[in-house]
Amino acid sequence: DAKTTQPTSMDCAEGRAANLPCNHSTISGNEYVYWYRQIHSQGPQYIIHGLKNNETNEMASLIITEDRKSSTLILPHATLRDTAVYYCIAFNQGGKLIFGQGTELSVKP
Amino acid sequence: DTAVSQTPKYLVTQMGNDKSIKCEQNLGHDTMYWYKQDSKKFLKIMFSYNNKELIINETVPNRFSPKSPDKAHLNLHINSLELGDSAVYFCASSQAKQFANTGELFFGEGSRLTVL
Repeated sequence: DAKTTQPTSMDCAEGRAANLPCNHSTISGNEYVYWYRQIHSQGPQYIIHGLKNNETNEMASLIITEDRKSSTLILPHATLRDTAVYYCIAFNQGGKLIFGQGTELSVKP
Repeated sequence: DTAVSQTPKYLVTQMGNDKSIKCEQNLGHDTMYWYKQDSKKFLKIMFSYNNKELIINETVPNRFSPKSPDKAHLNLHINSLELGDSAVYFCASSQAKQFANTGELFFGEGSRLTVL
């Protein structure tokens, strides 16, 4: 599975959009980009995933560049409850979901 | 109605003891997993079962033995506990799609094991 690179930490003001970048320059054609988050003392939570096209659901939007070497997770209106560690994972169907270090997002009032 | 439930949530025990953590999912999923999150917060996959069959077995000491009595349950038994086994253990489940596991896992709330 391709390795991903994320900033260690980020801050975001409450009510503003949080844009979390992820670099996956060695991603292969059949690997999806998955995003999870882990709120303190809870289990990881699936957010969204995509292959080539941009995706949106009730939690977030995922923007994948045309060359698929990077992506951005967008939380449109961050709240204090969005404070968590966000993981970007390149995943091959049937493979292992491998978590990296993630980005620690702090949403501040 | 909890989708993936683990018991116990907290477990404090002495070195050398044997302990088990139980996991149950009511989502009807075919695949279940155990992950370990150590003090540095890294989440590492340990095992995966699909319909009671072991499909992923990472480099884990053989003191750790998963057991899947049916596809809704995956228990983790640990023999001769060591200090380094202290961690939070997460159970998860997923549904197969076109015979391959998807990356959409549903995690339990974790079981915090402390070995003294």
